[in-house]
Amino acid sequence: QVRLMESGGGVVQPGRSLRLSCAASGFTLSNFGVHWVRQAPGKGLTWVSYISYVGSNSIYANSVRGRFTISRDSSRNAVSLQISSLTPEDTGIYFCAREGHAPKINIFEMWGQGTMVTVSS
Amino acid sequence: DIQMTQSPSTLSASVGDRLTITCRASQNINKYLAWYQRKPGKAPNLLIYAASTLNGGVPSRFSGSGSGTEFTLTINSLQPDDFATYYCQQYMSFWTFGQGTQVEVK
Repeated sequence: QVRLMESGGGVVQPGRSLRLSCAASGFTLSNFGVHWVRQAPGKGLTWVSYISYVGSNSIYANSVRGRFTISRDSSRNAVSLQISSLTPEDTGIYFCAREGHAPKINIFEMWGQGTMVTVSS
Repeated sequence: DIQMTQSPSTLSASVGDRLTITCRASQNINKYLAWYQRKPGKAPNLLIYAASTLNGGVPSRFSGSGSGTEFTLTINSLQPDDFATYYCQQYMSFWTFGQGTQVEVK
């Protein structure tokens, strides 16, 4: 079955770190660009990070640059998002999304169901 | 940064209705626009890309139009499965979503 599955969410205290994972099944994730998108409670979708299909290029939203690190784990067919210095504003559902191949490059063709992160003391 | 503004924020509708959702970009994005459907507890779903190209498997009652700064998503003959929140997204310069339009039961 072709799908993406996020994991690693949970309840975390402010100031701590968390590592989210996006694992692919049914295809090779390293052949595609991958994004992380966040949805805060009651809010819309917000793009947070991207890693290129070769893993040589990563981009971050201004709001998370310096605290978020995206990386590939090709041995596990996965992409990770390391989040440090968590604040309550980081609370939300975190989705990973895979780009398509041309003409759907830069388009979020496939999404996971998300993992919930709650930052609270 | 490119800002995306959707209207309306909420749309009350009945099965069989024809709906139009508007999305405006803060600058020219040509046709680098996608539309997604989001239902609670489910993964977002790509409906349309390049402003008007229907993604595979998406029902033909969905259509998109526009270029430059003004875009529309139209749903012809709304079905029960279409009650959801819809987001536009520009991908010309990085990636930005609109704030979403919730389609609710009238």
